[in-house]
Amino acid sequence: TQLLEQSPQFLSIQEGENLTVYCNSSSVFSSLQWYRQEPGEGPVLLVTVVTGGEVKKLKRLTFQFGDARKDSSLHITAAQPGDTGLYLCAGAKTSYDKVIFGPGTSLSVIP
Amino acid sequence: DSGVTQTPKHLITATGQRVTLRCSPRSGDLSVYWYQQSLDQGLQFLIQYYNGEERAKGNILERFSAQQFPDLHSELNLSSLELGDSALYFCASSVAPAGAYEQYFGPGTRLTVT
Repeated sequence: TQLLEQSPQFLSIQEGENLTVYCNSSSVFSSLQWYRQEPGEGPVLLVTVVTGGEVKKLKRLTFQFGDARKDSSLHITAAQPGDTGLYLCAGAKTSYDKVIFGPGTSLSVIP
Repeated sequence: DSGVTQTPKHLITATGQRVTLRCSPRSGDLSVYWYQQSLDQGLQFLIQYYNGEERAKGNILERFSAQQFPDLHSELNLSSLELGDSALYFCASSVAPAGAYEQYFGPGTRLTVT
């Protein structure tokens, strides 16, 4: 059983479209992180959200942490081919727990 | 460049063999994590060391072992290799022993078992 579930598993869209990917859990997390991984490379941290209801923006990327701190979303506006990659959410239940990774959403942006 | 180095980048070996993967963490980071990533399993946490001590264990097989040395570099030993062990192996480092501190990932070692 995955403690963190991500949807959709795969997403293929045209350049310029908007998209949202989701990270869900039945457990409460003290914080959630989003990583992006390009093929053949290690994941790179995009953002950490720690407060329920928190919204963070990183250029065309908007991250939201659910009010109950059980879920998070990543919205990309006007997707570009450079956004292609595997988006992983990761969470720690407490500051004493290790981070757990979700299975990821594989995004392909077609020029 | 994350500052985490892993060697070798590629490794091809036969079933039944033993290999050692090496990781040097980012300067100042005391935690080292090992992950296995295959197409059908995603990123699987194997084991974590913090300042030389085992901190957390994940889905690590008994055929696999790891250690962190006094200079904080870490090695992952994989023995009695099977075809299913073919995967990307990532090392990550972090400043803290737990919690949502950023993990810096190395470039990975691609292991192919034939």
